[in-house]
Amino acid sequence: GAGVSQSPSNKVTEKGKDVELRCDPISGHTALYWYRQSLGQGLEFLIYFQGNSAPDKSGLPSDRFSAERTGGSVSTLTIQRTQQEDSAVYLCASSSRTSGKTYEQYFGPGTRLTVT
Amino acid sequence: AQKVTQAQTEISVVEKEDVTLDCVYETRDTTYYLFWYKQPPSGELVFLIRRNSFDEQNEISGRYSWNFQKSTSSFNFTITASQVVDSAVYFCALSSNNAGNMLTFGGGTRLMVKP
Repeated sequence: GAGVSQSPSNKVTEKGKDVELRCDPISGHTALYWYRQSLGQGLEFLIYFQGNSAPDKSGLPSDRFSAERTGGSVSTLTIQRTQQEDSAVYLCASSSRTSGKTYEQYFGPGTRLTVT
Repeated sequence: AQKVTQAQTEISVVEKEDVTLDCVYETRDTTYYLFWYKQPPSGELVFLIRRNSFDEQNEISGRYSWNFQKSTSSFNFTITASQVVDSAVYFCALSSNNAGNMLTFGGGTRLMVKP
């Protein structure tokens, strides 16, 4: 079946502008994660959605970052007033998850964000 | 706090050599999960394996094998008879229910297999 998809694949934006990144998880996966990968910081967790529960936002680096997940499926990560340090590859992952069990996460191809 | 350490930042081997990628982890949880992912030059992270903390059996899949040792908090990955297509960055990762299920990644090991 289809894997995790993300759009756009590349985004160049000017410092101070807002950006929205989209993630379509694998159909039927209840858990959705956002990570970012940058040269200096490696792979970092940003936010986690599980079903209808409140998201775990513990990894968001500042209040300029927010995310939502509509209808338990598609998710949008929004970065307001972008800064050059926001430049990174933003990765989305999804997994099946039932109570008490953890499954592997499958990753999308990522969105490369460049802030000029 | 959870932590994953991949001490080898870069390894270079010649095709057909065996190579082992090291992974050491830290966690206070008694139930946790360990993973290996491959990131080829194309950039997409590819899932390779998941192990549960209560299952210390080693696993072999073709040329790949994994050695999980709780006593040393290690989860090492061996590629036998390496091939050029194995060239990639390999990430070890850790998660646990108590830590929110997000993955904590190691810094990655870049493997270069030369013909």
